[in-house]
Amino acid sequence: GAVVSQHPSRVICKSGTSVKIECRSLDFQATTMFWYRQFPKQSLMLMATSNEGSKATYEQGVEKDKFLINHASLTLSTLTVTSAHPEDSSFYICSARDPRTAYGYTFGSGTRLTVV
Amino acid sequence: EDQVTQSPEALRLQEGESSSLNCSYTVSGLRGLFWYRQDPGKGPEFLFTLYSAGEEKEKERLKATLTKKESFLHITAPKPEDSATYLCAVQAGYNNDMRFGAGTRLTVKP
Repeated sequence: GAVVSQHPSRVICKSGTSVKIECRSLDFQATTMFWYRQFPKQSLMLMATSNEGSKATYEQGVEKDKFLINHASLTLSTLTVTSAHPEDSSFYICSARDPRTAYGYTFGSGTRLTVV
Repeated sequence: EDQVTQSPEALRLQEGESSSLNCSYTVSGLRGLFWYRQDPGKGPEFLFTLYSAGEEKEKERLKATLTKKESFLHITAPKPEDSATYLCAVQAGYNNDMRFGAGTRLTVKP
């Protein structure tokens, strides 16, 4: 089945630094990937849609200059949290859909970001 | 605006005690309704996709149903390993993304 690999699983960084999170589709090509954010005991909130070869589409209220998305190939999308602050601490999850199947979207295992 | 509401927020069951989780939605042009299971600290795991009212799908102790306004996830004779958060999501209109409900945290006691 479709597999989405997300790295790192956990990262701790200092305030003001930048962190990059990678999302890879391992056995299929994904022209579109999605980035979500999840706070404790809350549901997934869509941050942005990552499009291969073009600019990402951000949801209302999401700062595109702070959350940089690069979808450089059909199997890789990256989310960079720039100038991180403690309020950016959260669980970030990516997803993609294998166009070969009729199933739902496959999610990565998530990245727990802690900004200290 | 598309809305997805799940109830109850939390549910505690004894092992073997069957129950149902609800997902009600208001969207324009439903293309699919999805159920996922999420364990703490992990990404959601796909369970079912339902496309039209009247559709039903089953997997082990789980059965998902869909009407024009809501979906139910029925859990028959649950086991402690069924404890997780169950998320409902919809895909609608021309959007390729999914909108999630807040989830139901299910705890099954042995």
